[in-house]
Amino acid sequence: QSVLTQPPSVSAAPGQKVTVSCSGSRSNIGNNYVSWYQQLPGTAPKLLIYENNKRPSGIPDRFSGSKSGTSATLGITGLQTGDEADYYCGTWDSSLSTWVFGGGTKLTVL
Amino acid sequence: QVQLVQSGAEVKKPGASVKVSCKASGYTFTDYGISWVRQAPGQGLEWMGWIRGNNGNTNFAQNLQGRVAMTTDTYTSTAYMELRNLRSDDTAVFYCARVDYDVLIGIPIPQYGMDVWGQGTTVTVSS
Repeated sequence: QSVLTQPPSVSAAPGQKVTVSCSGSRSNIGNNYVSWYQQLPGTAPKLLIYENNKRPSGIPDRFSGSKSGTSATLGITGLQTGDEADYYCGTWDSSLSTWVFGGGTKLTVL
Repeated sequence: QVQLVQSGAEVKKPGASVKVSCKASGYTFTDYGISWVRQAPGQGLEWMGWIRGNNGNTNFAQNLQGRVAMTTDTYTSTAYMELRNLRSDDTAVFYCARVDYDVLIGIPIPQYGMDVWGQGTTVTVSS
């Protein structure tokens, strides 16, 4: 049981938009920045979004992040087959003094 | 470029120990911490703990307390994670990842997330 809650899967057609939700509590998302990670099949996770909504160098602006209260959302527009991956949200939990992740969301581009 | 390179795959018997290395390059090792994250087959990411690069202080996930150790060698910019008394459910891919933290008070700065990851080390525990 993950501390952060994500839907197990989402899907959409190429070119469309999809969102992935991440729900937490005041001690984690509510009081700390959220980051998002993309894990392509058979590879290590890669930082996709940090500081709730910022993209590291090299990440296209098709990827966006937002946070409101104790929830965060990852948005992906102009879906491509190469976006098929598992997506994880993560943050620091100030009460547990641990990093916490969501259970991951598998994106299928139909 | 900033890079973390991990040691190779391991196969261990139940009850044994494994030590995974993570060699950093491209940045000042003591300015950052290293988190360890594992992923069991078909499962999500599980944070194991982290070690501060400047003083070697550690924090571990509660479910691993007593079985895990994390150390660093600042001369070679290498972090190590040792897991003892292995069980079959420890079979996983283990990742190291760089994390920023406040060097003065020793707490993570989640603002930047885990920004660089190693390639992963597969550890298989089987009799």
